[in-house]
Amino acid sequence: GESVGLHLPTLSVQEGDNSIINCAYSNSASDYFIWYKQESGKGPQFIIDIRSNMDKRQGQRVTVLLNKTVKHLSLQIAATQPGDSAVYFCAESNLYGKLTFGQGTILTVHP
Amino acid sequence: DTEVTQTPKHLVMGMTNKKSLKCEQHMGHRAMYWYKQKAKKPPELMFVYSYEKLSINESVPSRFSPECPNSSLLNLHLHALQPEDSALYLCASSQPTGTGPFEQYFGPGTRLTVT
Repeated sequence: GESVGLHLPTLSVQEGDNSIINCAYSNSASDYFIWYKQESGKGPQFIIDIRSNMDKRQGQRVTVLLNKTVKHLSLQIAATQPGDSAVYFCAESNLYGKLTFGQGTILTVHP
Repeated sequence: DTEVTQTPKHLVMGMTNKKSLKCEQHMGHRAMYWYKQKAKKPPELMFVYSYEKLSINESVPSRFSPECPNSSLLNLHLHALQPEDSALYLCASSQPTGTGPFEQYFGPGTRLTVT
């Protein structure tokens, strides 16, 4: 069946470091992936997405990499800041809007 | 306007009460969603509406009753809930489903406690 999961449940970094959050998925037919950030007491906030016909996409300070061969997704955050501290979820969406979330990684950024 | 609003922010209800959660968006999105999120867990899809019609029900108990009165509003009617239904209920919206996957915009959620 479908599953989207994360290798590491927590990640602690120093301010200014680069952060890498990983995600594995099992549905090889998936064609759309999204990273969300969720701060305490708030709803998930869209960060960046990528479609299966791409292997890399860049945003402001964030890069998503997709390796379809090994069914692996990663989110890279450059120059991590304390405001980046949150839970990060990868998610897979099908054509009909069904979003399946991974388990989440807690990112803690120390000043 | 890229905001999804939800009311109330917090709700405490007894197991015999009837209450409703409300969600509103003005982005012109024609797909709207309800998710349930337990503490330290990812959101889980409950319902999807596309063009005001229910398109996905993830086998949700009938004590949860969704309603989409128009393209901007989504309600979740609650009746005879159980304490294990206590959770954060999230609403989201997106471009229409069936024409391609699109990013979903989430509201801040309603924190529900069932006593």
